[in-house]
Amino acid sequence: SQTIHQWPATLVQPVGSPLSLECTVEGTSNPNLYWYRQAAGRGLQLLFYSVGIGQISSEVPQNLSASRPQDRQFILSSKKLLLSDSGFYLCAWSATPHGEETQYFGPGTRLLVL
Amino acid sequence: GNSVTQMEGPVTLSEEAFLTINCTYTATGYPSLFWYVQYPGEGLQLLLKATKADDKGSNKGFEATYRKETTSFHLEKGSVQVSDSAVYFCALSDSGGGADGLTFGKGTHLIIQP
Repeated sequence: SQTIHQWPATLVQPVGSPLSLECTVEGTSNPNLYWYRQAAGRGLQLLFYSVGIGQISSEVPQNLSASRPQDRQFILSSKKLLLSDSGFYLCAWSATPHGEETQYFGPGTRLLVL
Repeated sequence: GNSVTQMEGPVTLSEEAFLTINCTYTATGYPSLFWYVQYPGEGLQLLLKATKADDKGSNKGFEATYRKETTSFHLEKGSVQVSDSAVYFCALSDSGGGADGLTFGKGTHLIIQP
């Protein structure tokens, strides 16, 4: 069966520090991968998605970036964190080929920027 | 563009009460519709889905029917339990099987009192 992992589970970082969040998927090949952010009291916002290694689409301009160095690895990064980057970051995957739209979510990373 | 509107709550009910959480959507194509549930401190879990008009998704006693004429996908349960307390997200996928992310509502916080 497929599983999705995220780490760290919780992170407290000072403003201006770098960020690296990692997401890995097991049990499937060539998944679509997604990063969402859930800010307090708000819904989920899609940040990035990827259909393959090295292929990243950005949905929202910001100081975050994403990379996909391996088929089942998706990384969310920042060079300098802002206070507004605080939130709950969720990674998700969906299967290919076309037609499979259900997304499956990881446990999330709670980020607090101070 | 696509959008999902749902009652935000919190919705507070007594155990064994009937539950309805309203969800309406706007989409350009023929979306698939989803309900996800988020328990405290966890990621999102798929609760149920429907991929075409008049389909009914069901799981764990929850049901939702895809109503194209009213662009709605209301979530219902006949008798709620304390363990149903969570945040519920309505979402749509209008990607036609592509890799775009889901469009989420803002979530409805459900509290079930014993």
